[in-house]
Amino acid sequence: EVQLVESGGGLVKPGGSLRLSCVVSGFTFSDYSMHWVRQAPGKGLEWVSSISSSGSYIYYADSLKGRFTISRDHDKNSVLLQMNRLGVEDTAVYYCARGALGLPVAATYFDSWGHGTLVTVSS
Amino acid sequence: DIQMTQSPSTLSASVGDRVTITCRASQSVSSWVAWYQQKPGKAPKLLIYRASTLEGGVPSRFSGSGSGTEFTLTISSLQPDDFATYFCQQYSKYSRTFGQGTKVEL
Repeated sequence: EVQLVESGGGLVKPGGSLRLSCVVSGFTFSDYSMHWVRQAPGKGLEWVSSISSSGSYIYYADSLKGRFTISRDHDKNSVLLQMNRLGVEDTAVYYCARGALGLPVAATYFDSWGHGTLVTVSS
Repeated sequence: DIQMTQSPSTLSASVGDRVTITCRASQSVSSWVAWYQQKPGKAPKLLIYRASTLEGGVPSRFSGSGSGTEFTLTISSLQPDDFATYFCQQYSKYSRTFGQGTKVEL
């Protein structure tokens, strides 16, 4: 069974940092691109960042302005999202998602999702 | 960025109704559109990809159509489990953007 389990969310003050983790199981991690998608409370879905299966290609939403860093650890079957200089606008549930097999990392849909981890940025 | 505009934002329907949700792209995305279902407090679930291909395990009452800039998701006979929010997503031209969602309610 494919599983994606996020962790690392929580309450952080504006300007602070958090590191999100997504541990996966049930599939060959190195075959798939991985992605983060967020959803602000009561809002729609917003793509955040993507990393290719090898880790060689990485993309970010323009709105992040260089504050986030995505990475993957093939030994631990995990994908990480380091978030710095957080603002209230970053408050959201952050979902880890798997890209479809065989599609480009930058142009794919998401065929499996984790349950999400809530990030709240507030003073 | 390619914008995806969904309509309606809210849809009131009854069990057994035929339901259609529309998504319009700001430029052609060929058939690179996916549809997701999301229930409160849960992660999105993939229903359809490449505009009309049903994901494994998804009931056949769900169908998708369209190409270019206009796409539709149809539920042929709404079931109690189908009351949820539905999102379209385009994955063309090295970008991926979502529609704002359509809530299907009783």
